[in-house]
Amino acid sequence: QQPVQSPQAVILREGEDAVINCSSSKALYSVHWYRQKHGEAPVFLMILLKGGEQKGHDKISASFNEKKQQSSLYLTASQLSYSGTYFCGTITSGTYKYIFGTGTRLKVLA
Amino acid sequence: ETGVTQTPRHLVMGMTNKKSLKCEQHLGHNAMYWYKQSAKKPLELMFVYSLEERVENNSVPSRFSPECPNSSHLFLHLHTLQPEDSALYLCASSQDPSGPRAGELFFGEGSRLTVL
Repeated sequence: QQPVQSPQAVILREGEDAVINCSSSKALYSVHWYRQKHGEAPVFLMILLKGGEQKGHDKISASFNEKKQQSSLYLTASQLSYSGTYFCGTITSGTYKYIFGTGTRLKVLA
Repeated sequence: ETGVTQTPRHLVMGMTNKKSLKCEQHLGHNAMYWYKQSAKKPLELMFVYSLEERVENNSVPSRFSPECPNSSHLFLHLHTLQPEDSALYLCASSQDPSGPRAGELFFGEGSRLTVL
């Protein structure tokens, strides 16, 4: 079953912050975040390997709460280039089944 | 340029046609994947190959037939498709096909398929 992301869509003004959540009904051993711009392929942003781990990429960071089986992506001082659809992804331990979350469409306006 | 190339970029076919999608990766990765992306839907895993061996078939209908002749090339053979199969088909590769780093995927630009 696919991880569920919230919100489904968000519109921001340039400079505003946003949080995207990813929740799974199964135990998460690692979480990955991707961004897909319109008409382009998804691009890998970051990986979180341990429970409680936080990672950063420019002004985009993420946290991973293993107990709650969820991860959150934080976009700070958003830029126009942040627009796109964000996906979390995870693999079930002991399988090759890498699956993506339901996606969050982010639009940043000038 | 992600190091993963897909051809053709666009394909229109009738329900009785046979066609193939091709994917090539120049990254020296060990695993290759096919995903389907329909309008306003999440990415759906179809197949996973690890070192040319199919290790995952995510309940995909037999009208989709994958082939991986070597670790750099992946094909998706299409036969008697339905209009609901129209979608963007994305190929990806990764260095590690299992374990926590398996999710570092590099995607091609995709092949947009329309079935009439």
